[in-house]
Amino acid sequence: AQSVTQPDIHITVSEGASLELRCNYSYGATPYLFWYVQSPGQGLQLLLKYFSGDTLVQGIKGFEAEFKRSQSSFNLRKPSVHWSDAAEYFCAVALNTGGFKTIFGAGTRLFVKA
Amino acid sequence: SQTIHQWPATLVQPVGSPLSLECTVEGTSNPNLYWYRQAAGRGLQLLFYSVGIGQISSEVPQNLSASRPQDRQFILSSKKLLLSDSGFYLCAWSFLTGVGHSPLHFGNGTRLTVT
Repeated sequence: AQSVTQPDIHITVSEGASLELRCNYSYGATPYLFWYVQSPGQGLQLLLKYFSGDTLVQGIKGFEAEFKRSQSSFNLRKPSVHWSDAAEYFCAVALNTGGFKTIFGAGTRLFVKA
Repeated sequence: SQTIHQWPATLVQPVGSPLSLECTVEGTSNPNLYWYRQAAGRGLQLLFYSVGIGQISSEVPQNLSASRPQDRQFILSSKKLLLSDSGFYLCAWSFLTGVGHSPLHFGNGTRLTVT
């Protein structure tokens, strides 16, 4: 069955430090890949997406992610974290099943310390 | 531009009462529509998705149902709520593009508390 794994439930980084959030997926073909961010009590906002082509994709707010087919991974990175980046981050996979249903990982809560 | 409206924002309902959550999309036609539930401390669970009027796919068997009476309207219902139905419900839409599948666009969610 298709699945998305985010192995880190929560991560704490210092402001200004670099960040990497891990995501692995299980799917027979190359899926459409996404990272979303959710602030408390809000809906989800798209950070970036990968459909095809260049495996390093740039997103909003200075985030980037790299698709590695051999590792079935799509890790999210940011070189310098800001306090406003504290939120929950979700990796997602869209499957071409007619309705293009999207499956989400369990999320990683990011805490930023001063 | 496209917008998605979801209401109510918060809802407190007693066990055994009915439920109706509504979601509408403006500025697009024939969208794919989705209902997700997010339990406290957990990821998003896909409940239903729809590719057209009257076409509903259920992902999780439970006491919830969904309907799509109009192209841009998606309704989540229950005849009798359970305590376990408490959670944060999110409506979303997407569409097919020339290069594949668009990202999901989410509403602001409904916080449901069943007491």
